[in-house]
Amino acid sequence: EAGVAQSPRYKIIEKRQSVAFWCNPISGHATLYWYQQILGQGPKLLIQFQNNGVVDDSQLPKDRFSAERLKGVDSTLKIQPAKLEDSAVYLCASSFVYEQFFGPGTRLTVL
Amino acid sequence: AQSVTQPDIHITVSEGASLELRCNYSYGATPYLFWYVQSPGQGLQLLLKYFSGDTLVQGIKGFEAEFKRSQSSFNLRKPSVHWSDAAEYFCAVVPDNYGQNFVFGPGTRLSVLP
Repeated sequence: EAGVAQSPRYKIIEKRQSVAFWCNPISGHATLYWYQQILGQGPKLLIQFQNNGVVDDSQLPKDRFSAERLKGVDSTLKIQPAKLEDSAVYLCASSFVYEQFFGPGTRLTVL
Repeated sequence: AQSVTQPDIHITVSEGASLELRCNYSYGATPYLFWYVQSPGQGLQLLLKYFSGDTLVQGIKGFEAEFKRSQSSFNLRKPSVHWSDAAEYFCAVVPDNYGQNFVFGPGTRLSVLP
């Protein structure tokens, strides 16, 4: 069984630039999550999808972050414009019956 | 405030020694409980989970955890640590048992001495 795929693995940008991350969940997993993990902290939920609908985006900074999951499969998370404090690892996960499977993450550095 | 706490930021143990990592939560009902491990540069991997029933649960890689309702705790244990266990460990809860909203603790970093 293929795992959760994420790309790119690393990204370095300057502040005020835009960036997009892609996630392909495990086939058949209806629930997809995006987390932000700042160095030394636990993952913080940004947005949760159930199929192509948003379940929870209460912690998503909507003035600069956006996410979509067209067709209920893969998903894209975008930051526009980026700030220094957005430097973090962005983790995608999908779940089936309360068991989450995580991708390797995208490490974003904002200079 | 509702939260998940892991009191130990960093623990160092010798290889072969026993290990206990602490996790406490502050939610009214008994949530679903999980332990994940994260090796450097990797995503999180599920070690074990508790939904109900037997309060001692077994996981992968020789780990176990015990749920104690009276203490709102779900501590992770391993009788003999291996050097490959060095990693970051996260406790997580699903507070409401209906949705799938996972709340993670801050993590405990485990170092293993040879």
